[in-house]
Amino acid sequence: EAGVVQSPRYKIIEKKQPVAFWCNPISGHNTLYWYLQNLGQGPELLIRYENEEAVDDSQLPKDRFSAERLKGVDSTLKIQPAELGDSAVYLCASSLNKEEQFFGPGTRLTVL
Amino acid sequence: QQQVKQSPQSLIVQKGGISIINCAYENTAFDYFPWYQQFPGKGPALLIAIRPDVSEKKEGRFTISFNKSAKQFSLHIMDSQPGDSATYFCAAKSGNYQLIWGAGTKLIIKP
Repeated sequence: EAGVVQSPRYKIIEKKQPVAFWCNPISGHNTLYWYLQNLGQGPELLIRYENEEAVDDSQLPKDRFSAERLKGVDSTLKIQPAELGDSAVYLCASSLNKEEQFFGPGTRLTVL
Repeated sequence: QQQVKQSPQSLIVQKGGISIINCAYENTAFDYFPWYQQFPGKGPALLIAIRPDVSEKKEGRFTISFNKSAKQFSLHIMDSQPGDSATYFCAAKSGNYQLIWGAGTKLIIKP
């Protein structure tokens, strides 16, 4: 069974530029999560989807971050414009039972 | 009240020794306590999890001890191996709410 797929794995951009991350969850997992992980810290939830509905986006900085999961399968997280402080690893996870979460390898974003 | 406090921040253990990582919480509504293991360049992966109706759960060399009255739980890694070197995160969750993560423990097993 394929795991959670994320792309790109690495992204380097200049500040004020836009950037997008893509995630394809494990087949059949209707819950999808986007997390931000800073070096040496635990993941911080940005948004959680149940199918195509964003059910928890309270920690998503909506002035510059947006996300979509149009058909309830894959998802895109966008930052526009990126700031220096957005440099981090962006993790996607999916779950079948809302307990065990399966994580992708993450996208390491560097904003210069 | 939503925090999960994890200690130590880093830990060095000799090969064959016991690694112990501790976590404490305040929210008595938490009903699911997982431990995740993360290797560099990878996402976290579920290692073992426990619910508050049991005091201990063992899977191979990994054991969770749970103390409901003290609101603490810990991960014990027996016969620690160099391949166990990773960052470990405890977490807690209640119902349909999000996982609350500890800050992580970087474990190094010395050969």
